[in-house]
Amino acid sequence: DTEVTQTPKHLVMGMTNKKSLKCEQHMGHRAMYWYKQKAKKPPELMFVYSYEKLSINESVPSRFSPECPNSSLLNLHLHALQPEDSALYLCASSQTLGTGNEQYFGPGTRLTVT
Amino acid sequence: DAKTTQPPSMDCAEGRAANLPCNHSTISGNEYVYWYRQIHSQGPQYIIHGLKNNETNEMASLIITEDRKSSTLILPHATLRDTAVYYCIVRVEGGATNKLIFGTGTLLAVQP
Repeated sequence: DTEVTQTPKHLVMGMTNKKSLKCEQHMGHRAMYWYKQKAKKPPELMFVYSYEKLSINESVPSRFSPECPNSSLLNLHLHALQPEDSALYLCASSQTLGTGNEQYFGPGTRLTVT
Repeated sequence: DAKTTQPPSMDCAEGRAANLPCNHSTISGNEYVYWYRQIHSQGPQYIIHGLKNNETNEMASLIITEDRKSSTLILPHATLRDTAVYYCIVRVEGGATNKLIFGTGTLLAVQP
């Protein structure tokens, strides 16, 4: 199984809402990533987890809160977002940070903030 | 990480070989060349990587020049499903602070 799954596929939320994005992989990978991709732009790294611990935070605003409850699951909690946060949110995984150049990506969650 | 330069767009006829160039003139000796692609509205997909020898897998071939300052990704028989943005990334293999930095890539349009 070489699949990374993400739910939901689409999400529309108001600026006062709290929502969560979920990512799951069953490849035994111990590094997991969140990326943000605006329309017609390349993906940009947000967070990296290694062995369930936050390894990299690319100066992401605190309204985005990542969580890695176990080695297969990665969440991104959203609160008080702005319309400019509307984007495709991509999750990825790799065996470890050391092999992180070969990342498996999920299909993404398309988020619209109204 | 070394910077890469790719043409913004290319066309290719279906069934023909697609040759996607990438310049990385400041590449260091321990940096690999990685290729990913992103089909519209999907997540990026790893294709292939190499250090200095040419590499081939079931998806593509990677040709790296002897001086390693440029490379070419070859899709031998392009299909409509190969229409995507192709990203060339230069990275050290391994390392604790692993960050894939995507450039703007090449939009390959395979024409019927």
